[in-house]
Order: sequence, then structure tokens, then C-alpha cells
Amino acid sequence: GENVEQHPSTLSVQEGDSAVIKCTYSDSASNYFPWYKQELGKRPQLIIDIRSNVGEKKDQRIAVTLNKTAKHFSLHITETQPEDSAVYFCAALYSGGSYIPTFGRGTSLIVHP
Amino acid sequence: EAQVTQNPRYLITVTGKKLTVTCSQNMNHEYMSWYRQDPGLGLRQIYYSMNVEVTDKGDVPEGYKVSRKEKRNFPLILESPSPNQTSLYFCASSGQGFSNQPQHFGDGTRLSIL
Repeated sequence: GENVEQHPSTLSVQEGDSAVIKCTYSDSASNYFPWYKQELGKRPQLIIDIRSNVGEKKDQRIAVTLNKTAKHFSLHITETQPEDSAVYFCAALYSGGSYIPTFGRGTSLIVHP
Repeated sequence: EAQVTQNPRYLITVTGKKLTVTCSQNMNHEYMSWYRQDPGLGLRQIYYSMNVEVTDKGDVPEGYKVSRKEKRNFPLILESPSPNQTSLYFCASSGQGFSNQPQHFGDGTRLSIL
């Protein structure tokens, strides 16, 4: 089955810096890669996703890049703000088969004012 | 307002006492699923359902049951809870084309089994 590795497990940055979280996956058939943000005590919420026919996607200060050959995808947050502090999860899913998304173990992002 | 509603939000109970966590969505979504979240392990899928009367096991189904008698509801049943089922549980739903659509999560249910 699919295996998703997420790094780092903790990331501490100063406000205004950029943050990068990387995930690697094992199943080359995976073709949908969402990213979720979970604030303390709250539900995970989708912040951005990418499909395998796209190499990069941006939404204001966040972007996701996908390298299918290397089987990794990354979340980039620019100009970080304290409200970006949360746990971020990546996931991988093969839309043509199993409907079981595999999640990474999460990255705790701390943005210091 | 589009939402996924779970009840209860918190429950403390004892080993062996059957319990049900309800989940309801008002978005007419076909796909619903249950996850448990444990520290350091991320989200792991317990069961999922692609439509009414269609359910299947996820990664960690042991000790759990589900049913999907109506499109909007997907309850999680613990017939004989044990302490290793103490966890934070999330219900989620997705619309048509669910295998490449984002999931909408409920607010979570924190279960403590003593």
C-alpha cells in the first residue's frame, strides 16, 4: 500500500520567513495530493491540493509543488504570520482505485512574532 | 451552512460498554469516512462508505463497525470499547468524484475509554 513520509515533524520560523514542508510517497499511481491545516483543538481543513497533471499550484501566500518522477510534493508558505501556526498534514490518494487516503504524520509549524 | 456534525464531542466511558458516535452531513455527499487521530500517527482511516449500503474497511477497522442506511448519516459503533480505542475521532465527507475531491471534516469526538 501507499506510504507517505512527511518532514520535518516540527518547524519553527520567524514571522515573515518562508516555511517549506515536504512529503514523499511510495505509490506511483497516486494522483491526488491535498494539504490540510489543523489548528489546535479544531478540525483539519483543506488549504490547497494538487493533481498529478499539474506541477505547481499557488493560492496567495501558499503554494504546492509536485515532482512525480521523484515522488514528492511540498507545501510552501511565504511571509509567514503567527496565525499560520498549526499542524499541517499532507495526503496522497489514487483516484482510480482505493478510496483510502494515506496521510503524513503531520508537521507542527510555529511562527514566532 | 454546509457542515459535518458529530455527536458527542466528548465522551468518557468504561471498557465494554457499547457506544455510538453519530455523524451527519448536509451537503448530499456520496462519500463519508471515519478517522482516528493519535499523537505522532496522523490521521488513519477506519471505515469509509461510497454510498448508501456500501461500506468498506480502511487502514484500522478492528474493533469498529459502521452503517450507511441513509445518505446523510454514517454512525461509528464500538461494540465493546477498549482503552486502546481512546482517541480523537473525525468524520469526513466528499462529493461526487470523491476520490480526488477534498474532504470536509467534522469537529471531532474525543473518546476516553477507561
